[in-house]
Amino acid sequence: AQSVTQLGSHVSVSEGALVLLRCNYSSSVPPYLFWYVQYPNQGLQLLLKYTSAATLVKGINGFEAEFKKSETSFHLTKPSAHMSDAAEYFCAVRGGTSGTYKYIFGTGTRLKVLA
Amino acid sequence: NAGVMQNPRHLVRRRGQEARLRCSPMKGHSHVYWYRQLPEEGLKFMVYLQKENIIDESGMPKERFSAEFPKEGPSILRIQQVVRGDSAAYFCASSPERVEYGYTFGSGTRLTVV
Repeated sequence: AQSVTQLGSHVSVSEGALVLLRCNYSSSVPPYLFWYVQYPNQGLQLLLKYTSAATLVKGINGFEAEFKKSETSFHLTKPSAHMSDAAEYFCAVRGGTSGTYKYIFGTGTRLKVLA
Repeated sequence: NAGVMQNPRHLVRRRGQEARLRCSPMKGHSHVYWYRQLPEEGLKFMVYLQKENIIDESGMPKERFSAEFPKEGPSILRIQQVVRGDSAAYFCASSPERVEYGYTFGSGTRLTVV
């Protein structure tokens, strides 16, 4: 069965510092991988997605993620954190045994940006 | 181009009442998905519907929960005789025919059972 593990339910960084949010997946077939951001009391907004075209994926708001098959990882990074990046981030996998339409979400990482 | 519209945004129900959550998909989208987010957890798949058909309801609790997507009008997630454990955020998403590139989520309905 597919699964997603997000290491660290809470991450704090200083404004201007590197953001690194970790995501590891388990899938017996090549997955589609996604990062979503959720601001307080709002829905999920797609940051970026991996669909086997390129291993380094660039998303919105300066975020990017690299698919590493050997490490089964899809970590999210941003070179310089901004106060507006404070939100909850979800990694998700779709495809394979879970079906092409069903997403499996991680439990989320809440990012806090310190002034 | 309006996104996925969910209403109400917030819903308070007393134990034993019924909750009805509505979802209008994006224009041109004929597939609807419902997910539930319990406090401090990620989203969990509940049900996948196309117009007038339930395709996959493997994530729906066996009792009290039902969903529909009629030929006309929004998709409805209905919870009968709500209990405190039903308090959660319920998100709807929609997609066009080809789903491989992901779908669009609505802003959710936050259900509180008192």
